[in-house]
Amino acid sequence: ILNVEQSPQSLHVQEGDSTNFTCSFPSSNFYALHWYRWETAKSPEALFVMTLNGDEKKKGQISATLNTKEGYSYLYIKGSQPEDSATYLCAFKDSGSNTGKLIFGQGTTLQVKP
Amino acid sequence: KAGVTQTPRYLIKTRGQQVTLSCSPISGHRSVSWYQQTPGQGLQFLFEYFSETQRNKGNFPGRFSGRQFSNSRSEMNVSTLELGDSALYLCASSLEGVTNYGYTFGSGTRLTVV
Repeated sequence: ILNVEQSPQSLHVQEGDSTNFTCSFPSSNFYALHWYRWETAKSPEALFVMTLNGDEKKKGQISATLNTKEGYSYLYIKGSQPEDSATYLCAFKDSGSNTGKLIFGQGTTLQVKP
Repeated sequence: KAGVTQTPRYLIKTRGQQVTLSCSPISGHRSVSWYQQTPGQGLQFLFEYFSETQRNKGNFPGRFSGRQFSNSRSEMNVSTLELGDSALYLCASSLEGVTNYGYTFGSGTRLTVV
């Protein structure tokens, strides 16, 4: 059974703080690792799709790194703003099939206080 | 361009009934995946359709079924509803299932079984 774990489960920070979350996934049969941001009452929105070991991607103040050999990815938010409050999901895609199946972690819920 | 449209947004059904949910993907996208989210659980993969064929199925009972039409619109059906089927059902579309850009999600259908 493939398992994707995210930590912490929730996080409360002050505006301006930098923060990071972890996603752990199987290190074998890796194809891709997705990150999504899911704001309340909205749809999950794709942040990054990472495929290569050592990948680093950046979007504004949000960045992510990938280590496929040890099976983890970090998501960093520099200088958090209240609008960054959301649940951040990572999802693992294995190389066993070419279908659209993703295995999601349970998410990290970030609350940024003004 | 129009996003992924799911209908209805909310639904209340009685145990034992059946329900059909609809998902219209982004124009040109041929892959539609369905996910279930219940309280305390991450997004669980239900199935994926591509060019009217089911390509992959998650670990759900046979009461959960789906189909895809020639215009890529997809429906999922749950028969003999149980209380535990109360959940948010999300669909996601992509061009072909394997994507470097992430999936585009709909806003979901919130199903309540009473």
